[in-house]
Amino acid sequence: AQSVTQLGSHVSVSEGALVLLRCNYSSSVPPYLFWYVQYPNQGLQLLLKYTSAATLVKGINGFEAEFKKSETSFHLTKPSAHMSDAAEYFCAVSDPGSFGNEKLTFGTGTRLTIIP
Amino acid sequence: DVKVTQSSRYLVKRTGEKVFLECVQDMDHENMFWYRQDPGLGLRLIYFSYDVKMKEKGDIPEGYSVSREKKERFSLILESASTNQTSMYLCASLGQGRGLNQPQHFGDGTRLSIL
Repeated sequence: AQSVTQLGSHVSVSEGALVLLRCNYSSSVPPYLFWYVQYPNQGLQLLLKYTSAATLVKGINGFEAEFKKSETSFHLTKPSAHMSDAAEYFCAVSDPGSFGNEKLTFGTGTRLTIIP
Repeated sequence: DVKVTQSSRYLVKRTGEKVFLECVQDMDHENMFWYRQDPGLGLRLIYFSYDVKMKEKGDIPEGYSVSREKKERFSLILESASTNQTSMYLCASLGQGRGLNQPQHFGDGTRLSIL
């Protein structure tokens, strides 16, 4: 079974500083990986996804993530934090289902706080 | 753009009540999912459905059932609500056979309180 580990349930960075949110996965097959963001009182919104086409994936709102197979990691970064980035971030891995549907296994989430 | 609509944003029910949470998607997606979200636990899959009248248990199905009578609608049912079912519930949908790298689309969630 797939699993995802997000190190750090809470991360605080100053406005303008680098954002680094960590995600490690375990997978017996080539993984498909996603980062979702959840703003307060909203559902999850896709930030970016890894499709095996490129190891560095660019997403919305200036975020990007790098797939490193040797480290089984898919860490999320943004060069300069903005107040609007305050949210909860979830890493997820796609799990092949029996009927062609794709179940997601989520990490426990990282709440990002931006310090003015 | 895919639209997933959950019928209630906030819901308060009493212990022992039968509770229905409704979810509707407008993209003719075959797959629909119900998750619950709790602090420190992330999202956990309760049930999913890959076609009308078809359902599969997720990781935490106990105390829940589901109904999928029409393709666009997926209902989560709490047969006899208990306080430990107080949580945020999220619905998602996904088109069939589009590859493992396609994202699920989420509704805004229903925050359910059981008193």
